[in-house]
Amino acid sequence: GAVVSQHPSRVICKSGTSVKIECRSLDFQATTMFWYRQFPKQSLMLMATSNEGSKATYEQGVEKDKFLINHASLTLSTLTVTSAHPEDSSFYICSAYHMGYGYTFGSGTRLTVV
Amino acid sequence: QKEVEQNSGPLSVPEGAIASLNCTYSDRGSQSFFWYRQYSGKSPELIMSIYSNGDKEDGRFTAQLNKASQYVSLLIRDSQPSDSATYLCAVANSGGSNYKLTFGKGTLLTVNP
Repeated sequence: GAVVSQHPSRVICKSGTSVKIECRSLDFQATTMFWYRQFPKQSLMLMATSNEGSKATYEQGVEKDKFLINHASLTLSTLTVTSAHPEDSSFYICSAYHMGYGYTFGSGTRLTVV
Repeated sequence: QKEVEQNSGPLSVPEGAIASLNCTYSDRGSQSFFWYRQYSGKSPELIMSIYSNGDKEDGRFTAQLNKASQYVSLLIRDSQPSDSATYLCAVANSGGSNYKLTFGKGTLLTVNP
């Protein structure tokens, strides 16, 4: 079956530093990867959509200079939260799309900015 | 604005009962419909997908889709305490080349032993 590996699962960082989250499709090549953010007791909010080799498409209200997305290959996408602040603390989840497998979600990253 | 609406609950049912979860969506161009289960602190896991009108059954789960009414539901038969989770309805529209999923806010289900 389709598996998406997301790392790290938890990260604590100091305010003002940057954090990189990696999302990798292990056994398939993803047409598209999606990045979501989920605050406590709320649903998943799409942040951006990325396709290999092209710039990510950000949803309205998401700062592209703060949330840098790199999709260097068909199996790897990274999200870098730059100059993190406590309000960026959240659960970040990636999803990879493949025509045959549909949507496969990573296990999520719990980011805490202190 | 494409919207997906769900009753936030909480929905509480006794063990062995049928749990009924409902979802409506605003975009008539939507083509794919999904139900995910999410345990606290975990990533969503796919329960059912449905693409055409009617019912689709998988074990204790039945998804129902009515595109005319823009309505999709999930029935859980013989509910178990392990079914206690938040159930997310998600809708996809293949607008352009990106198949974006739009999620509802989720319904919290509690199954009481």
